[in-house]
Amino acid sequence: AQSVAQPEDQVNVAEGNPLTVKCTYSVSGNPYLFWYVQYPNRGLQFLLKYITGDNLVKGSYGFEAEFNKSQTSFHLKKPSALVSDSALYFCAVRDVAKTGFQKLVFGTGTRLLVSP
Amino acid sequence: DAGVTQSPTHLIKTRGQQVTLRCSPKSGHDTVSWYQQALGQGPQFIFQYYEEEERQRGNFPDRFSGHQFPNYSSELNVNALLLGDSALYLCASSGGSGTASEQYFGPGTRLTVT
Repeated sequence: AQSVAQPEDQVNVAEGNPLTVKCTYSVSGNPYLFWYVQYPNRGLQFLLKYITGDNLVKGSYGFEAEFNKSQTSFHLKKPSALVSDSALYFCAVRDVAKTGFQKLVFGTGTRLLVSP
Repeated sequence: DAGVTQSPTHLIKTRGQQVTLRCSPKSGHDTVSWYQQALGQGPQFIFQYYEEEERQRGNFPDRFSGHQFPNYSSELNVNALLLGDSALYLCASSGGSGTASEQYFGPGTRLTVT
């Protein structure tokens, strides 16, 4: 079964510093990987996805993610954190049924706290 | 362009009651998926609808049922509510007849069971 793991419950970073939120995956076949962000009392907002191609994927709000096949990782990064980036971040992997229908399998989430 | 909408925003129910949650997909999308997000956890897949039929289902009991209408909107019904059903229920829509990988999420319905 497809799965992702987010080893950190919380990441703390000072504003202006680079941030990394970690994700590792376990899949059969080629991985389709996603990052979503959730602000308080809000749904999930799509940040970026990796399907194929360049290992560095650029997304919304200045975020990017690095796909590493040998380490089975898909870490989310941003060169300079903002206080407004404080939120809950979810890594997800696509799971395809035999019928071709797709669903997302999510990690447990990482809370990012950016201090002023 | 309206995104995915859900109603109601919040709901409080008593154990044993039944609840219906509603979702309208993003314009142009034909597939609706429902997820349950318990406090402190990631979203868990409940089921998915396309062409008014349930296409796949996660590990949830039969108390959880759904429906999709001809306009692609969807309902999630939960019978015989348990305290453990308290969660944020997220609806996601996608296009491509269910084969598109990217899903767009609504703001969710917060269900509290007392």
